[in-house]
Amino acid sequence: EAGVAQSPRYKIIEKRQSVAFWCNPISGHATLYWYQQILGQGPKLLIQFQNNGVVDDSQLPKDRFSAERLKGVDSTLKIQPAKLEDSAVYLCASTRRDQESDTQYFGPGTRLTVL
Amino acid sequence: QKEVEQDPGPLSVPEGAIVSLNCTYSNSAFQYFMWYRQYSRKGPELLMYTYSSGNKEDGRFTAQVDKSSKYISLFIRDSQPSDSATYLCAMILASGGSYIPTFGRGTSLIVHP
Repeated sequence: EAGVAQSPRYKIIEKRQSVAFWCNPISGHATLYWYQQILGQGPKLLIQFQNNGVVDDSQLPKDRFSAERLKGVDSTLKIQPAKLEDSAVYLCASTRRDQESDTQYFGPGTRLTVL
Repeated sequence: QKEVEQDPGPLSVPEGAIVSLNCTYSNSAFQYFMWYRQYSRKGPELLMYTYSSGNKEDGRFTAQVDKSSKYISLFIRDSQPSDSATYLCAMILASGGSYIPTFGRGTSLIVHP
């Protein structure tokens, strides 16, 4: 079974520029998560999708961050415009279905550096 | 006060030692508790999952939950250098039919030969 795929793996941009990250979850996984992990901290949930609907986006800075999961499969997270404090690893994870006992499988992450 | 508190370490132990990792939480509505291991430049991977107070064992790992004290622990027996990683606790809040995770900041563990 292929794992969660993310691209790009690394991205360096200047502040005020835009950036987009892509995630392809494990085939058949209904729930998809985007996390932000700042160096030395745990992952912070940004947005959670169940199929193509949003379950929770309470911690997503909606003035600059957006995410979509068209057709309930892969997903894109966008930052526009980026700030210095957005430098972090952006992790995507998926589970088969929205149940507490399902294992979250994480991708390798995209490391963003904002200069 | 953060919902989930975890000492970042680093915790350095000799090979073969018993390791104790801990988290405290403030939200009594958390129902499910997990421990993840994260190697450098990798995504987290699930180690243990539990939902009730008490102990759960899996090989060298034991997860312990004390809901009355809002305290969870992960014990690693016979620690190995390959256990060197960051250990993240995570709590799940059941809300409106969905399950919302909150992670601790992670504890860095170093097991030296």
